Amino acid sequence: GESVGLHLPTLSVQEGDNSIINCAYSNSASDYFIWYKQESGKGPQFIIDIRSNMDKRQGQRVTVLLNKTVKHLSLQIAATQPGDSAVYFCAEIRQGGGNKLTFGTGTQLKVEL
Amino acid sequence: DAGVTQSPTHLIKTRGQHVTLRCSPISGHKSVSWYQQVLGQGPQFIFQYYEKEERGRGNFPDRFSARQFPNYSSELNVNALLLGDSALYLCASSLQQNLPDTQYFGPGTRLTVL
Repeated sequence: GESVGLHLPTLSVQEGDNSIINCAYSNSASDYFIWYKQESGKGPQFIIDIRSNMDKRQGQRVTVLLNKTVKHLSLQIAATQPGDSAVYFCAEIRQGGGNKLTFGTGTQLKVEL
Repeated sequence: DAGVTQSPTHLIKTRGQHVTLRCSPISGHKSVSWYQQVLGQGPQFIFQYYEKEERGRGNFPDRFSARQFPNYSSELNVNALLLGDSALYLCASSLQQNLPDTQYFGPGTRLTVL
């Protein structure tokens, strides 16, 4: 069935390096995408979002890229810090889907000192 | 400003029992959604409520029900608990009903069914 999925379950990076977390989606009707960060024992924390009429959006140390041609979404974290260690989820809202978020399974980001 | 709050933090029940989970949205937010997150997976949508009305329902059995109160807080009820209902139950609030709108999550209620 249609889903939002992630390419890698675990990503290890050195402190100070840039991190790239990827996400594939299969529903062309998706028009809103969000990245969430979830630390152990906590609820998902909003990081950044992007609408389907955009291909790039930047926040503080984070950039989201959207490639609608190949249905691919990525989250780039600059100068990764130990506090960035968490599970990262991409989620989508589909046209006509109200405000229902469809999540992928997540990528575990581990920052090595 | 207070974020989304949920109670209780943890809960242990036995099979067949009933449970009620509570959520208070961010002040000014009128929409509340509930999600179930099984260990190792992403959250799964259960319900959305806006202005006290159900506006969306996920693929969950009728044992799951919810409601929203005039102050926009919400309860999630689960009857006849099964072992498979053990999960983190998340509440998210947002301003509007059906525009793609940023949803902010609470810390969750960890339910364990024995």
